[in-house]
Amino acid sequence: DVKVTQSSRYLVKRTGEKVFLECVQDMDHENMFWYRQDPGLGLRLIYFSYDVKMKEKGDIPEGYSVSREKKERFSLILESASTNQTSMYLCASSPTSGGNTDTQYFGPGTRLTVL
Amino acid sequence: GENVEQHPSTLSVQEGDSAVIKCTYSDSASNYFPWYKQELGKRPQLIIDIRSNVGEKKDQRIAVTLNKTAKHFSLHITETQPEDSAVYFCAASSGSARQLTFGSGTQLTVLP
Repeated sequence: DVKVTQSSRYLVKRTGEKVFLECVQDMDHENMFWYRQDPGLGLRLIYFSYDVKMKEKGDIPEGYSVSREKKERFSLILESASTNQTSMYLCASSPTSGGNTDTQYFGPGTRLTVL
Repeated sequence: GENVEQHPSTLSVQEGDSAVIKCTYSDSASNYFPWYKQELGKRPQLIIDIRSNVGEKKDQRIAVTLNKTAKHFSLHITETQPEDSAVYFCAASSGSARQLTFGSGTQLTVLP
């Protein structure tokens, strides 16, 4: 059973703070993704990675960066949090081979509030 | 890049009736189309998917149809039950890492 975990379910930070969101998957998946989810906007892709130390910008990368030092771990970084980054953040992973290629498995999400 | 539009944004049906959610996509290179269900407070979970070499796929009460010429695909839920109430997202896949572009979601409410 695929398991994707995120470091926090709820997080409250102040404007200007540096924020780290961690995601870990245990299925040896090559691809990992970070989304933010806002009402009426669906899930929007922030960054993704298809290999260790590789990263690609998604649709809304401004104000975010990522790090992937190990295959199983993908971190999202808010260098200087702002109130418009208050949102639900979802991590996902997917394999590049096998029967479930392309299927993305999601973590439980982190509800981030920036005050 | 890919653009996915989803309709309707909200849908209420009586228990036992059918529900249909429709999506259109813009990138003709997209070839994988999953549907996710997200219950309140939970993570999105894949319920069914279809690839571009198939026109229709069924799994019990759920079916998905794909029209590649028109670039649209639909989710059909028959004999709806209260536990089908959730937000449903369609998506289309393209790119090197098969990144997904999601629709904006449909809040389905099944009335008892």
